[in-house]
Amino acid sequence: GQNIDQPTEMTATEGAIVQINCTYQTSGFNGLFWYQQHAGEAPTFLSYNVLDGLEEKGRFSSFLSRSKGYSYLLLKELQMKDSASYLCAVRDSNYQLIWGAGTKLIIKP
Amino acid sequence: IAGITQAPTSQILAAGRRMTLRCTQDMRHNAMYWYRQDLGLGLRLIHYSNTAGTTGKGEVPDGYSVSRANTDDFPLTLASAVPSQTSVYFCASSPKEGSPLHFGNGTRLTVT
Repeated sequence: GQNIDQPTEMTATEGAIVQINCTYQTSGFNGLFWYQQHAGEAPTFLSYNVLDGLEEKGRFSSFLSRSKGYSYLLLKELQMKDSASYLCAVRDSNYQLIWGAGTKLIIKP
Repeated sequence: IAGITQAPTSQILAAGRRMTLRCTQDMRHNAMYWYRQDLGLGLRLIHYSNTAGTTGKGEVPDGYSVSRANTDDFPLTLASAVPSQTSVYFCASSPKEGSPLHFGNGTRLTVT
């Protein structure tokens, strides 16, 4: 079966750096997405990786290793507003999105 | 403000009743999707539409139906609600299949 694994919850300190990991086992691979979802709100798109390597976008970076079935989202200079769930999703060979359950990130002052 | 509007925001529904969740987008996106989100699970695709006039089944279509009469609207109907359909429902759209999704604010549905 297809599977996306992410930690359920992580805690980090304001101003610090946190890395959220995502491992996947899917039928084929056609890209990996990261979304941010604040409590009670809609998911919003953060990043997209289809080739190996690091994609940087401001304080957020996303890394992909297709051979390892692994990605991470790196958040720098954490702010309280970064408290949210972070969803990893992989597009399989049928171009269907397979979603992880999300990682709830708690930022402490 | 361009985006996706879902209605209602929340609803309590008696089991056995029929319910239509509304979704309208003004971005002229071709592809639209309905997901349900349950605690501890990833988003699960119910139905999708790649373009007006066509629809397809997702991962969990049973008990749900959709229509896509035009580009903007993609309603989701529960013909006879059951308690296991208690969930948060998100409508999403994208310019084309495979593009990042834009989500509506969701409908929180409780079936009693």
